Amino acid sequence: QQPVQSPQAVILREGEDAVINCSSSKALYSVHWYRQKHGEAPVFLMILLKGGEQKGHEKISASFNEKKQQSSLYLTASQLSYSGTYFCGTEISTGNNRKLIWGLGTSLAVNP
Amino acid sequence: SAVISQKPSRDICQRGTSLTIQCQVDSQVTMMFWYRQQPGQSLTLIATANQGSEATYESGFVIDKFPISRPNLTFSTLTVSNMSPEDSSIYLCSAYTGTLNTEAFFGQGTRLTVV
Repeated sequence: QQPVQSPQAVILREGEDAVINCSSSKALYSVHWYRQKHGEAPVFLMILLKGGEQKGHEKISASFNEKKQQSSLYLTASQLSYSGTYFCGTEISTGNNRKLIWGLGTSLAVNP
Repeated sequence: SAVISQKPSRDICQRGTSLTIQCQVDSQVTMMFWYRQQPGQSLTLIATANQGSEATYESGFVIDKFPISRPNLTFSTLTVSNMSPEDSSIYLCSAYTGTLNTEAFFGQGTRLTVV
């Protein structure tokens, strides 16, 4: 049930692009993307709910494929501030219990 | 949006003792979760804190070790009981309304070291 993220780690030079993928063997109810810097709480980036949806926030955007089994996070013209660990999460329901579970994360380092 | 105040931010505890972590949300939320995170690793869900009833624990976590309270829709506590060095970790609480297209919010975390 845990979404699978790839790659595990990315090293970029400032200005380069990156793509982080989040996939599941079953259709996801939703996909949440967060970034966490060392020693800090995760910070919300965006949520995708619908198959085929795309969203953007400045130079960070994401897509959700039609089958809702894969989401990709696109980081364009990366900045030093983009460094951190990116997590995708999804909501799952088991009976009356709803919860958020998270992928293992993708560590992104942007160097000058 | 919601703001979560989590405390303590860090603590160093002796093995065999217990520590209670508190989370206060500035608005009512449907769901609250407790996670454990080893440095550089993912968020592992410990349990869902249910208001007015027993928490729902994930596999590998038990109530005797991690008792959780949630007396109302804005407050929850997690106790780490009979601690051992293996319990050293960062503990995070999270609040989530569960409403479509809304984000989850996180406390700043509690960095626990057991010696």
